[in-house]
Amino acid sequence: QKEVEQDPGPLSVPEGAIVSLNCTYSNSAFQYFMWYRQYSRKGPELLMYTYSSGNKEDGRFTAQVDKSSKYISLFIRDSQPSDSATYLCAMSGGYQKVTFGTGTKLQVIP
Amino acid sequence: GAGVSQSPRYKVAKRGQDVALRCDPISGHVSLFWYQQALGQGPEFLTYFQNEAQLDKSGLPSDRFFAERPEGSVSTLKIQRTQQEDSAVYLCASSPSPGQGETQYFGPGTRLLVL
Repeated sequence: QKEVEQDPGPLSVPEGAIVSLNCTYSNSAFQYFMWYRQYSRKGPELLMYTYSSGNKEDGRFTAQVDKSSKYISLFIRDSQPSDSATYLCAMSGGYQKVTFGTGTKLQVIP
Repeated sequence: GAGVSQSPRYKVAKRGQDVALRCDPISGHVSLFWYQQALGQGPEFLTYFQNEAQLDKSGLPSDRFFAERPEGSVSTLKIQRTQQEDSAVYLCASSPSPGQGETQYFGPGTRLLVL
């Protein structure tokens, strides 16, 4: 079993929809939780990071962490075609090694 | 401002050849990371540098893989005697503070194909 599990999708939604992306994990030592966006043939781009449990909002993006359930989420409001990409969750224990999920491919249809 | 750059962007190698992949991190960034990303997978950690010191190389898959950052800026990942299973995208990332894995800035990657 992988330390971080993420549904690879693909997930297809109409423009304007609310998108929910999720990851589960097994390592209780994880303290930092990140979401990256990766366009085709590009490097990952950091969207948000959260320390420990709680919510964090940045524009149309909201990240949630529930450490008791070992479950993290990213919500995208008013989704746009430009949001079409692969979304990677990532986690670390507060030191340098970061563990990534496999990524969820999202397509927003105009 | 200038981001992380990597070269070459694409590399085709014959099995058994040695390859060298270069990473230019953001100027002044202390931490530098290398990852391997197979098709349809997330990045897998290879190694970490804090300035010129290689503090973690636990992710390097075999002794054919070697990384260096001699002056604490540019880094090179070298793969000796390449095998077909080495085909992947190799990503470099940097961050401004020591061990700061949570705020990494990635380069575009080098796509390696071993024939």
